[in-house]
Amino acid sequence: GQQVMQIPQYQHVQEGEDFTTYCNSSTTLSNIQWYKQRPGGHPVFLIQLVKSGEVKKQKRLTFQFGEAKKNSSLHITATQTTDVGTYFCADGTSYGKLTFGQGTILTVHP
Amino acid sequence: KAGVTQTPRYLIKTRGQQVTLSCSPISGHRSVSWYQQTPGQGLQFLFEYFSETQRNKGNFPGRFSGRQFSNSRSEMNVSTLELGDSALYLCASSLTGPRDGYTFGSGTRLTVV
Repeated sequence: GQQVMQIPQYQHVQEGEDFTTYCNSSTTLSNIQWYKQRPGGHPVFLIQLVKSGEVKKQKRLTFQFGEAKKNSSLHITATQTTDVGTYFCADGTSYGKLTFGQGTILTVHP
Repeated sequence: KAGVTQTPRYLIKTRGQQVTLSCSPISGHRSVSWYQQTPGQGLQFLFEYFSETQRNKGNFPGRFSGRQFSNSRSEMNVSTLELGDSALYLCASSLTGPRDGYTFGSGTRLTVV
């Protein structure tokens, strides 16, 4: 079935460093969503991208959707300890469901 | 407004038993989806309901079933529990479907012993 591959699986950074996670698909995606799950918590919706080449920003977070709509990225500038958690991309192409990537676990060392 | 409410928060069941989990979506949300989350498999889609109709189903055995009521509340049932069913079960609601973006509940942590 359709899968979205997310890399890296883990990322350890020092506070203040930048962080990027990537989501790749072998097929064209109609839309992609990003979620954050804090340790012990539940996924929280961050953003949805639908247009080819779309770039959206939320404070220190920058989300991009590739020109071919087969990949997406989430970039965090100057990480803070509050950024700790697992970041998931989710493919919304299939009717009635989201298919989640495996997630990137971000650890921020103070 | 109130978020997505899942009950119970924790459950311990014995292998072979059955279990029912409940989810109350955000008021006005008509789509409810269920996911199983485990460390090894990540977030796996179980099923999605809209206006009491199942619109999509994931690749889980028939032991996993669900339903949605006219007030959009949803339940999922797992019969003949196996040790491998131990997981966090997450319910998510949205206005009309996943493309609106999900709001997740806090989940039900099921442990099968």
